[in-house]
Amino acid sequence: NAGVTQTPKFRVLKTGQSMTLLCAQDMNHEYMYWYRQDPGMGLRLIHYSVGEGTTAKGEVPDGYNVSRLKKQNFLLGLESAAPSQTSVYFCASGLREGGSYEQYFGPGTRLTVT
Amino acid sequence: SQQGEEDPQALSIQEGENATMNCSYKTSINNLQWYRQNSGRGLVHLILIRSNEREKHSGRLRVTLDTSKKSSSLLITASRAADTASYFCATGQGAQKLVFGQGTRLTINP
Repeated sequence: NAGVTQTPKFRVLKTGQSMTLLCAQDMNHEYMYWYRQDPGMGLRLIHYSVGEGTTAKGEVPDGYNVSRLKKQNFLLGLESAAPSQTSVYFCASGLREGGSYEQYFGPGTRLTVT
Repeated sequence: SQQGEEDPQALSIQEGENATMNCSYKTSINNLQWYRQNSGRGLVHLILIRSNEREKHSGRLRVTLDTSKKSSSLLITASRAADTASYFCATGQGAQKLVFGQGTRLTINP
């Protein structure tokens, strides 16, 4: 049971380039999330999904797109990277247990945009 | 904007001492969760307390919740070097989302 995995672990982009971050989970969770974490900060929600084929905006969605074509995968896309998107990106998955939503996190992707 | 605010931002104690971290939040919640993040890693869920609970224990962890003051505390007893990490509170507000605080950096000195 791998849990939540993220690909790639590190990436350096130039301003204007595009890329896709892949998140995969093998726990059959309904919910998946993308966060970004900046130095000394907590996590801020970018986009999330409550099931296959559905996505919704979080707190900081601008400049990002997502897709959830398969239940186990959640993709985060940057169409035109900007230096302000330099951050560590975490994916998480979760399920509802008695009305509460515990989340399981991947190891993170460290992205630098120059 | 962040919902939870942890206090203190950083805490350094000797091994064996107890560590207490506090979290305050602004709106009504369904539950409050605490997570740990080791340097360079993802977050790991520690404990969840529901809005109708006042105290919860898990091993060396004790969490309290005061909904009237909109605050929670995490107590780690008999701290160990391996407890060195950042600790985040996260509030659940009925939807599927959690809102995280900025975290407390805990350092346990040997």
